[in-house]
Amino acid sequence: NAGVMQNPRHLVRRRGQEARLRCSPMKGHSHVYWYRQLPEEGLKFMVYLQKENIIDESGMPKERFSAEFPKEGPSILRIQQVVRGDSAAYFCASGASGLYNEQFFGPGTRLTVL
Amino acid sequence: AQSVTQPDIHITVSEGASLELRCNYSYGATPYLFWYVQSPGQGLQLLLKYFSGDTLVQGIKGFEAEFKRSQSSFNLRKPSVHWSDAAEYFCAVPEGYSSASKIIFGSGTRLSIRP
Repeated sequence: NAGVMQNPRHLVRRRGQEARLRCSPMKGHSHVYWYRQLPEEGLKFMVYLQKENIIDESGMPKERFSAEFPKEGPSILRIQQVVRGDSAAYFCASGASGLYNEQFFGPGTRLTVL
Repeated sequence: AQSVTQPDIHITVSEGASLELRCNYSYGATPYLFWYVQSPGQGLQLLLKYFSGDTLVQGIKGFEAEFKRSQSSFNLRKPSVHWSDAAEYFCAVPEGYSSASKIIFGSGTRLSIRP
């Protein structure tokens, strides 16, 4: 029973390039959450998705960031034209429907922008 | 709005000593509360959670936490720490009660263990 999977674990990009981060939720989970952890800080919510729907994107920067969770395949967090301030650890969590359930976190993708 | 405060940025304790990490919350109703641990370069692991009922919650790795409504606190404790407990600890509260709720994290407390 695999947990939440994220890839790549480490990603290096130069300023202006695109970063694509992938998250495969736990089996049976239909909710995906993305969080960002800046250096020396706690995790901050970015976006919550269900299959083919963005439910809450209140934590997403207004520009350059987008997320999707297609019917088939992993959830993708996409950052266009990366800047140095995007360097952070990006964590994905997954959960199930119903009353409040625990969110299970993946190992994260550490993005470094040169 | 819900919030979580961890007043201690960094704590160092000796191996074998007791530990208490502080967490204060701001919430309009009875909150759900969590403690997560993050080892260096790793993801988050849930240590324990409080939903309702008994205010003393037992978790994994010998940790426990006590929910005190009168003090708006949910402090994490361990009677005897091990070197492997060195990590970052996050107190957290979901924004609501549904499965759609995002989690709000405190800024974390880094725990160092003195040999």
